[in-house]
Amino acid sequence: KQEVTQIPAALSVPEGENLVLNCSFTDSAIYNLQWFRQDPGKGLTSLLLIQSSQREQTSGRLNASLDKSSGRSTLYIAASQPGDSATYLCATETSGSRLTFGEGTQLTVNP
Amino acid sequence: GAVVSQHPSWVICKSGTSVKIECRSLDFQATTMFWYRQFPKQSLMLMATSNEGSKATYEQGVEKDKFLINHASLTLSTLTVTSAHPEDSSFYICSARDPRVWRGSSTDTQYFGPGTRLTVL
Repeated sequence: KQEVTQIPAALSVPEGENLVLNCSFTDSAIYNLQWFRQDPGKGLTSLLLIQSSQREQTSGRLNASLDKSSGRSTLYIAASQPGDSATYLCATETSGSRLTFGEGTQLTVNP
Repeated sequence: GAVVSQHPSWVICKSGTSVKIECRSLDFQATTMFWYRQFPKQSLMLMATSNEGSKATYEQGVEKDKFLINHASLTLSTLTVTSAHPEDSSFYICSARDPRVWRGSSTDTQYFGPGTRLTVL
C-alpha cells in the first residue's frame, strides 16, 4: 500500500524567500506525481504533474522534481509571496487512477 | 481547464438524517468519478471509485451501506451519507476523470470539485 509523507508539516517564511517542500513515497511503481494547492475550506488546484519518466516540471516560480527510484519529490517555490500561503499536497497516481495524498505542508508567507 | 462542481458547498444536518452530495462535470463526460474525505488538518482519503452505469468500488474500511454512491449519468455522481452521525462530519471532495485529455501517461486527468463541508449535529 502506497504511503506518502510530506515534510515539513508547516512552514512560515518571510516574503521573498525561496523554499523547498518535500514529499516521499514508499511504492515507486507510480504513473505520475502531482503537486496541488489547497486554500482553507476549498478544493484542490493542480500545480504541477510529473510523469514517471520525467525528472522535473516547471511553471512560473514553481519547480517540481521527481526521483522515482528513491521515492522523493520536491517542490521549489522561488521568491515566495503572501499569496502563496496555502496547504500544498503531493499525490502519487497508481493503477486505476488511484491518487494517494500526503498530509500536506501548510505554508505561510509573511509580508 | 475542465470544471467540476459540487452541491451543496456546505450542509448542516441532524444526527440520523441522510444527506446527498452531488458532483457534476460541467464541460466533459466523466466515465469515472472519485469521492474523497478530508478530516481537519489531515489529507484526502479516497473513499470510493464511481463508474458510470456500474456499482462503485469502495476502499477498505468504507461502509458501502452508509455511503451510497450513484453514478447514473456521465456528468453526475451522487454520494449519500445515510443515518449521518457527528463522526461523519468532514470535508467531502469529488474528482472527475476527463478521458479527453492525454498527458503522456497511461491514466487520464482528474479534476477536483470545490468540496462539500458536512457538519452533523
